[in-house]
Amino acid sequence: DVKVTQSSRYLVKRTGEKVFLECVQDMDHENMFWYRQDPGLGLRLIYFSYDVKMKEKGDIPEGYSVSREKKERFSLILESASTNQTSMYLCASSLGGMSNEKLFFGSGTQLSVL
Amino acid sequence: DAKTTQPTSMDCAEGRAANLPCNHSTISGNEYVYWYRQIHSQGPQYIIHGLKNNETNEMASLIITEDRKSSTLILPHATLRDTAVYYCIVRHPIYNQGGKLIFGQGTELSVKP
Repeated sequence: DVKVTQSSRYLVKRTGEKVFLECVQDMDHENMFWYRQDPGLGLRLIYFSYDVKMKEKGDIPEGYSVSREKKERFSLILESASTNQTSMYLCASSLGGMSNEKLFFGSGTQLSVL
Repeated sequence: DAKTTQPTSMDCAEGRAANLPCNHSTISGNEYVYWYRQIHSQGPQYIIHGLKNNETNEMASLIITEDRKSSTLILPHATLRDTAVYYCIVRHPIYNQGGKLIFGQGTELSVKP
């Protein structure tokens, strides 16, 4: 089975801190994604990557950046955390080609910004 | 991508079949129907997808009407562990351009003993 591992299950940070959320997948998937999930708003796509060193903006990229230096690792960076970035963050990967919509998700990181 | 409509919530007795409907009346010919579920405090989990033929795997069956305007996800023998929010998503898979799924509000399925 594909495993998508997010480095932290719960994280508490202070306003203005730089925050790194790490995600690793073990199945040589081409594509990786970062979503956030908020009550009443569903899942929203922040950034995604179809290849190493490539990145594309999703629907809500403001306040975030990403890094993909290796195929298996996709990092989400909050340059200066704010309280409105308190959320559940979900990383996902997919094989690529015509199987892009079969996503495998991690367990999520619940981030609280105080 | 076509819009989907699902009931907000449903109940099902343990051991019985759970039939979750999804309406996608504006679906176009090259759009697939995908189902995911999200158990509380976990990430979403892929269940099944199909274009126009009925599909079955170890988790569920997907029945798509002939006009493709609606579909039903069937969990043949629901267990308490199937309690989750179920998402129906319609999407046209484009080679190397996909994965940008839009998760709506879904159906909250409660399986009761």
